[in-house]
Amino acid sequence: NSKVIQTPRYLVKGQGQKAKMRCIPEKGHPVVFWYQQNKNNEFKFLINFQNQEVLQQIDMTEKRFSAECPSNSPCSLEIQSSEAGDSALYLCASSLGLSNERLFFGHGTKLSVL
Amino acid sequence: QQKVQQSPESLIVPEGGMASLNCTSSDRNVDYFWWYRQHSGKSPKMLMSIFSNGEKEEGRFTVHLNKASLHTSLHIRDSQPSDSALYLCAASRGTNTGKLTFGDGTVLTVKP
Repeated sequence: NSKVIQTPRYLVKGQGQKAKMRCIPEKGHPVVFWYQQNKNNEFKFLINFQNQEVLQQIDMTEKRFSAECPSNSPCSLEIQSSEAGDSALYLCASSLGLSNERLFFGHGTKLSVL
Repeated sequence: QQKVQQSPESLIVPEGGMASLNCTSSDRNVDYFWWYRQHSGKSPKMLMSIFSNGEKEEGRFTVHLNKASLHTSLHIRDSQPSDSALYLCAASRGTNTGKLTFGDGTVLTVKP
């Protein structure tokens, strides 16, 4: 059973709507990642954090996507204005550190943009 | 720009057979390779990792790494229907971001 908790499991939105998903990393893991897995199984890195600080993010994330990992609250990933192409499985993962550490994944949030 | 290439895209093996999956990185700065398995509808879970030249065996699973060619392979002997899943290869560098770059995976089907 995954110790990285993601909610909701499924999210259905219309085009232009906001979509927000949350992640609670495994206890004691300071590093959190968001990946997007599309229907062709392609894995795309979106953003990662160490505690509350952004470490790295891709250009796509900087435009319509926003993410945060506030202290003592779940991490979140939000798409401001959903597009059909955003339909995918959004996977959150956490790890113990930054140097070649194993990632532990949650079950993901499956977003469908109609 | 895909930096981790996996082959084949899909593979069918009979129960009890050997499955061989391949992965190559085009990023010469990577120093760690990972193999994850993702059953349908489930989260990816790490199977094995390797960073030294040579091979590493855990039960029915063996991983090889050739650092010069940045090629790794995963071999599953005595394949079982429960091994049917998406197998993802990932590579990482010892940098300060911790990011893993994943390939597009190999879908393995083990036929009873």
